[in-house]
Amino acid sequence: AQRVTQPEKLLSVFKGAPVELKCNYSYSGSPELFWYVQYSRQRLQLLLRHISRESIKGFTADLNKGETSFHLKKPFAQEEDSAMYYCALSGGSNYKLTFGKGTLLTVNP
Amino acid sequence: DTAVSQTPKYLVTQMGNDKSIKCEQNLGHDTMYWYKQDSKKFLKIMFSYNNKELIINETVPNRFSPKSPDKAHLNLHINSLELGDSAVYFCASSQRYTGELFFGEGSRLTVL
Repeated sequence: AQRVTQPEKLLSVFKGAPVELKCNYSYSGSPELFWYVQYSRQRLQLLLRHISRESIKGFTADLNKGETSFHLKKPFAQEEDSAMYYCALSGGSNYKLTFGKGTLLTVNP
Repeated sequence: DTAVSQTPKYLVTQMGNDKSIKCEQNLGHDTMYWYKQDSKKFLKIMFSYNNKELIINETVPNRFSPKSPDKAHLNLHINSLELGDSAVYFCASSQRYTGELFFGEGSRLTVL
């Protein structure tokens, strides 16, 4: 079974502060991990995936297989980063994408 | 051009009614999905079709029946609606074997 845990339902930081959204996963095979973002009144969209190892909008995420984590980080949060963030795992023969419960990030001015 | 479009965006109906939500994608993807987002914003997969073939069917009541007339369309029909069916239903598509899903705007279903 595959499982994604996002322990923080809500996260509030001030503009310019570092932010880290936590994600832990459980999967017996070799997973693919993703972060999706849903801005207010917009559709859910892919933010980044671990295999591309790139920085998107200043966000990075490193897959740590030892800790089974894929935390999302940004050194200096901006107000426009306020959104709902979902960590997701793809695995299995049908490549099912399983989402965590999401973390609502609020960046205060 | 909208990549993944769902209709209707809003649906308000009475318990016991039957309703359908339609989804179309113009991305040329071969896999389509239905996800349910509950009031706590939890996203859970319901169904997935690849080239009109059902490949994922989670533990969803059989009142929910997906139909894929072709690989660009995946509709969701719900019979005998219950209060607990109130949610936002998202359609999505992808190329198979990728986790990059493209989502529709969602259809908010309210059952009274």
